[in-house]
Amino acid sequence: KAGVTQTPRYLIKTRGQQVTLSCSPISGHRSVSWYQQTPGQGLQFLFEYFSETQRNKGNFPGRFSGRQFSNSRSEMNVSTLELGDSALYLCASSYLSGIQETQYFGPGTRLLVL
Amino acid sequence: SQKIEQNSEALNIQEGKTATLTCNYTNYSPAYLQWYRQDPGRGPVFLLLIRENEKEKRKERLKVTFDTTLKQSLFHITASQPADSATYLCALPPNTGNQFYFGTGTSLTVIP
Repeated sequence: KAGVTQTPRYLIKTRGQQVTLSCSPISGHRSVSWYQQTPGQGLQFLFEYFSETQRNKGNFPGRFSGRQFSNSRSEMNVSTLELGDSALYLCASSYLSGIQETQYFGPGTRLLVL
Repeated sequence: SQKIEQNSEALNIQEGKTATLTCNYTNYSPAYLQWYRQDPGRGPVFLLLIRENEKEKRKERLKVTFDTTLKQSLFHITASQPADSATYLCALPPNTGNQFYFGTGTSLTVIP
């Protein structure tokens, strides 16, 4: 199976702009989670989607939003970009096998806000 | 919320030695725990899963232990190689919500 893909891989934006990132999960995976990673901060959970529904949301401002489509592909949007939004954005897809769930990450989108 | 602590942010060891990384957690008793490897600029890659009823799990040169009483997992890499240099993350599965919890990671450098 193909792995998780994310587009674009790199992005440069300026403050105040908005950005949309895309994630295609592994075929058959219905859950998609998004994370922000900055040096020293580790993986900060943004939100998780399952069957087009947001099931959980992290502690991020409303400028961060997402959605999931019927084919499980997901997008996240950041509006009114700030310098502090510069980070590696990772998405992960997963499926539940019994009680076990493993996350499979994409390569990430590196966002630089100038 | 879940709190996960991983030992020292950075660990340097000599090639051929055993690296031991620690993951401590609080607040709930997970049914399993996972370890991931992350290389710079890339997404984490799943390595191992250990269930609460398993004391130890091995995969090639990797060994993971899980002490549910201490709320601690140890991750060992034996006969370490420079190619093992990376950041290693421990992760707990969702509890009441649908969110995985990741530690901040330990950056391992294996010196030739």
